[in-house]
Amino acid sequence: AQSVTQPDIHITVSEGASLELRCNYSYGATPYLFWYVQSPGQGLQLLLKYFSGDTLVQGIKGFEAEFKRSQSSFNLRKPSVHWSDAAEYFCAVVIERGSTLGRLYFGRGTQLTVWP
Amino acid sequence: DSGVTQTPKHLITATGQRVTLRCSPRSGDLSVYWYQQSLDQGLQFLIQYYNGEERAKGNILERFSAQQFPDLHSELNLSSLELGDSALYFCASRPSAGGAFSDTQYFGPGTRLTVL
Repeated sequence: AQSVTQPDIHITVSEGASLELRCNYSYGATPYLFWYVQSPGQGLQLLLKYFSGDTLVQGIKGFEAEFKRSQSSFNLRKPSVHWSDAAEYFCAVVIERGSTLGRLYFGRGTQLTVWP
Repeated sequence: DSGVTQTPKHLITATGQRVTLRCSPRSGDLSVYWYQQSLDQGLQFLIQYYNGEERAKGNILERFSAQQFPDLHSELNLSSLELGDSALYFCASRPSAGGAFSDTQYFGPGTRLTVL
C-alpha cells in the first residue's frame, strides 16, 4: 500500500545532542518530499523540501535531510538540538508531481522531547 | 507567519450542529487545501479547490462540504456533527504564477473543533 512511515512515535534527546528522525515512503515513483514541524498550538511550518538534484538539502533552524532513493528514505537530521526544537515533526509527500493537484500525504508524526 | 489565516481559532459545539470554518489564502494563491488532524487518523487531506473549482477530494465525509469564493477565500462546512469530528482543521494555500505551480503548501494556524 502507498504510505509514508515515520517509525518513531516519540524520541527524547538531551539538549546539544544530535538528532535523526526517520521517514520512509512507499510509492511507485519518487515523490516530492517534505518535512514540516508543528509546535504546540501552532500550525505546520515547512522545514525543508526535496524535489530533485542534490540529495542533501538544507532547511531552516539548522535542519538538514538526506534523500536516499535505494532506501526510499528521507531522514531529518540536526547536529545539535536546542530546547526550542521540542515539537512534532511530520514527513510528507506529494505524489502528483508538478500537477495542479499536489495534495500532501503525511506520516503519523514523531514527537520530539528535549531534556535540558 | 505563513500568510494564511483561519477563523475561528477555536470552536466548541454540540453534536448534531453545523459549523463553518473560514480560510483566507496567501495573497495571489489560487489553490486552497483542507486537512484534518485527529488522534485516530493523523493528518489527512480532505479537499482541494483551485480558482473556485473543486479539484480533488480525499477522505471527506458526505456531511462535510467546502467552497471557494471569487475573492479566493474558502469555507469548510461541517454538518450533523459527531463526537468523532473533533479535530484540528488546517487550511493550506499553494502558490502559482504564470501557469507554473509551486509544490510547496503554506499552512494556516488551524481551527480546533470540539464537539461535545
